[in-house]
Amino acid sequence: NAGVTQTPKFRVLKTGQSMTLLCAQDMNHEYMYWYRQDPGMGLRLIHYSVGEGTTAKGEVPDGYNVSRLKKQNFLLGLESAAPSQTSVYFCASSSRLDFSYFGPGTRLTVL
Amino acid sequence: AQSVSQHNHHVILSEAASLELGCNYSYGGTVNLFWYVQYPGQHLQLLLKYFSGDPLVKGIKGFEAEFIKSKFSFNLRKPSVQWSDTAEYFCAVIPGGSGGYNKLIFGAGTRLAVHP
Repeated sequence: NAGVTQTPKFRVLKTGQSMTLLCAQDMNHEYMYWYRQDPGMGLRLIHYSVGEGTTAKGEVPDGYNVSRLKKQNFLLGLESAAPSQTSVYFCASSSRLDFSYFGPGTRLTVL
Repeated sequence: AQSVSQHNHHVILSEAASLELGCNYSYGGTVNLFWYVQYPGQHLQLLLKYFSGDPLVKGIKGFEAEFIKSKFSFNLRKPSVQWSDTAEYFCAVIPGGSGGYNKLIFGAGTRLAVHP
């Protein structure tokens, strides 16, 4: 089992550019999540999905969009990147009665 | 605002010292509680979790945590730390009234540095 994988691992964008982060899990989990990690603030939930074809907003959703077309994949999009979106992004997945498994993270810098 | 508080942002210890990291939350009712660890350059890994039952929870690598409902606390302990415990530690809560779906609310984290 690969668990939760994320691509890419690093990315540098210029303000206004767009990009998509891909998360994949092979544990047949129903729930998937995108968090961002910023120094001194822990992790904050951006968006989440409770099943294929569903998405919902978390604590800090502005400036991000998500899609879950397949159960194993959860995509996070930035349509017009801003410096405030410089962060480390973690994807996670879980089943209904289990804890969350995290991916290795994507370090994004927006110049 | 409801939150998860970790009182120590940075902790420096010598090897073999005892460790206690504080975590308090402000959610009433049923909660699920977690401690995650992030070693340098790595992703978050689960140390231990509390869903119900015995409030003293044992995790991996000799860590344990005690859930004290009356104090809204879930402190992490280890009797003797090692250099390899150098990492950032996150307390996290799933509030019972959050609508389910295992959405985690994290504390700000505690950076632990253990010196040989």
